[in-house]
Amino acid sequence: GNSVTQMEGPVTLSEEAFLTINCTYTATGYPSLFWYVQYPGEGLQLLLKATKADDKGSNKGFEATYRKETTSFHLEKGSVQVSDSAVYFCALKNSGTYKYIFGTGTRLKVLA
Amino acid sequence: KAGVTQTPRYLIKTRGQQVTLSCSPISGHRSVSWYQQTPGQGLQFLFEYFSETQRNKGNFPGRFSGRQFSNSRSEMNVSTLELGDSALYLCASRLEASGDNEQFFGPGTRLTVL
Repeated sequence: GNSVTQMEGPVTLSEEAFLTINCTYTATGYPSLFWYVQYPGEGLQLLLKATKADDKGSNKGFEATYRKETTSFHLEKGSVQVSDSAVYFCALKNSGTYKYIFGTGTRLKVLA
Repeated sequence: KAGVTQTPRYLIKTRGQQVTLSCSPISGHRSVSWYQQTPGQGLQFLFEYFSETQRNKGNFPGRFSGRQFSNSRSEMNVSTLELGDSALYLCASRLEASGDNEQFFGPGTRLTVL
């Protein structure tokens, strides 16, 4: 079946450090891939997405590239800020279905 | 445009009771999905409704049920509550059921079962 695996957190970084949060997936067909962010006390917000192989999603300095050969969609940011502290979820959705599959989430803490 | 709203935001119940959670989607959105979020399991899909019909269902017991009204508002019901039902319940709405329309999440209802 479809599944998403994320690296376990928490990930603790100093401000301006480089961020990578790993995400790999298992899916039949050609899923769309997503990164969502959840700030404390809030629901999830879409951060970026990619709908086909080699697509790069980007937003707010975050990037992720859809790698079909390695079934990965790793999230990266060159210089994190304290305000980036949140929980990040990787997710997939197969075309023609209504169901999103989420990873377990990775908590990021950025220290000033 | 108002976002997805969920009521109540917090709820405390005891084992064996039942609970009803409510979700009002963004105006014009016809698809509503429900998720259970727990620290150990992450987000687990419960079900999705579109035009008052359940279109997809996750792997949850029959104690979890839902419905959608003609104005697209949705309710989720959990009967005979168990301690393990303590979680953040998130609702998400989308414009349509097909395609890659972005889903927008509400802030969630935090349910604590004692």
